[in-house]
Amino acid sequence: GDSVTQMEGPVTLSEEAFLTINCTYTATGYPSLFWYVQYPGEGLQLLLKATKADDKGSNKGFEATYRKETTSFHLEKGSVQVSDSAVYFCALSQLQGGSEKLVFGKGMKLTVNP
Amino acid sequence: DADVTQTPRNRITKTGKRIMLECSQTKGHDRMYWYRQDPGLGLRLIYYSFDVKDINKGEISDGYSVSRQAQAKFSLSLESAIPNQTALYFCATSEQAGTVKYFGPGTRLTVL
Repeated sequence: GDSVTQMEGPVTLSEEAFLTINCTYTATGYPSLFWYVQYPGEGLQLLLKATKADDKGSNKGFEATYRKETTSFHLEKGSVQVSDSAVYFCALSQLQGGSEKLVFGKGMKLTVNP
Repeated sequence: DADVTQTPRNRITKTGKRIMLECSQTKGHDRMYWYRQDPGLGLRLIYYSFDVKDINKGEISDGYSVSRQAQAKFSLSLESAIPNQTALYFCATSEQAGTVKYFGPGTRLTVL
């Protein structure tokens, strides 16, 4: 079945460090891919998305490119801030037989220290 | 005001008690979802509803039931709570299949 595998962490970085969170997926069709972020004490919110191969999603300095050949959607940010401390979830969404299948990765906790 | 609200935000209860978690949304979306979050397991779908007359089981529906009282309201019930239902519960909405989901702030439930 469809699945998402991502780095689980936790990861601790210093402010202004480079961030990469790996995400790979397994799917039978052509899913849409998402990164959601969960700040402490809050619900998940969309960070960025990509709906087809080679699309690049970007938001708040974060980027991820939909790579069909490597079935990956790695999240990157060139210079993290303390305010980026959160849990990051990779997810895929696929329509199957008229219904939607949404699969989340297990999440990765990021802590950024000043 | 938040688009998706959940009540209560925290609840501690005892084994065997009936618990209801409520979700309301002002986004006007037809699709509503209940997820459970456990450490190291990500989010797992409990139930979902595509409109008031449509209720569907997710991957972990055993021990739970839902009610879609109106387009804006979707409640989750634990008929007889057990300790392994201790988790963080999220309600979410979306406009269409495959589109962005909007999550509520979550309800932290502890079953003793």
